Amino acid sequence: QVYLMQSGGGVVQPGRSLRLSCAASGFPFSTYPIHWVRQAPGKGLEPVAVISSDGDNQHYLGSMKGRVTVSRDNSRNMVYLQMNSLRPDDTAVYYCGKPSGSGLDHWGQGDLVIVSS
Amino acid sequence: EIVLTQSPAIVSFSPGERATLSCRASETIYTYLTWYQQKPGQPPRLLIWDASNTAPGMPARFSGSGSGTDFTLTINSLEPEDFAVYYCQCHQGSSRKWPPVLTFGGGTKVEIK
Repeated sequence: QVYLMQSGGGVVQPGRSLRLSCAASGFPFSTYPIHWVRQAPGKGLEPVAVISSDGDNQHYLGSMKGRVTVSRDNSRNMVYLQMNSLRPDDTAVYYCGKPSGSGLDHWGQGDLVIVSS
Repeated sequence: EIVLTQSPAIVSFSPGERATLSCRASETIYTYLTWYQQKPGQPPRLLIWDASNTAPGMPARFSGSGSGTDFTLTINSLEPEDFAVYYCQCHQGSSRKWPPVLTFGGGTKVEIK
């Protein structure tokens, strides 16, 4: 059974940093890229970042580019999303996702990040 | 950049009716289109992959069709649990090339009439 268990979300002040974690199990983790997608309240799905299976390559998208870093530890089956200089419009649920073909076949449960003073 | 347009944004049906949702790509994506279902407070759930393949565990009343730029998600005989938001998604370029950039449509909310 594939699981993606997320942690690290919460309330953070504008300008501060937060690191999200995604713990994977049930599949050969080191052979899959992992995606991060976020969803602002009442809005659609926005890709944030993707990291290659070996962790050597990262790609960032959207308004978080330049403020976010994705990394992974294949020895621990973990992926991390380091978010810096957070702004109120970064308030969203953040999801990690495992790809299969051209889609994401498994998603984490989501982690709510609220950026507010 | 490929853009996915879903229409309508909100649609109302009665239980038992057939729902057809549209997703249009700004350029051809062959059959590399995925559909998701999302219910409040839950992550998206894979529904249809490669335009017409129903994901394991999803009921047979869900079906997908289309190729190129025009795609349809059909829900035959809506059940109460089908009222949700549906998203389509593709890749910018090939999913096998780096980087595998995802693109999502804006979503269609299926409401109870």
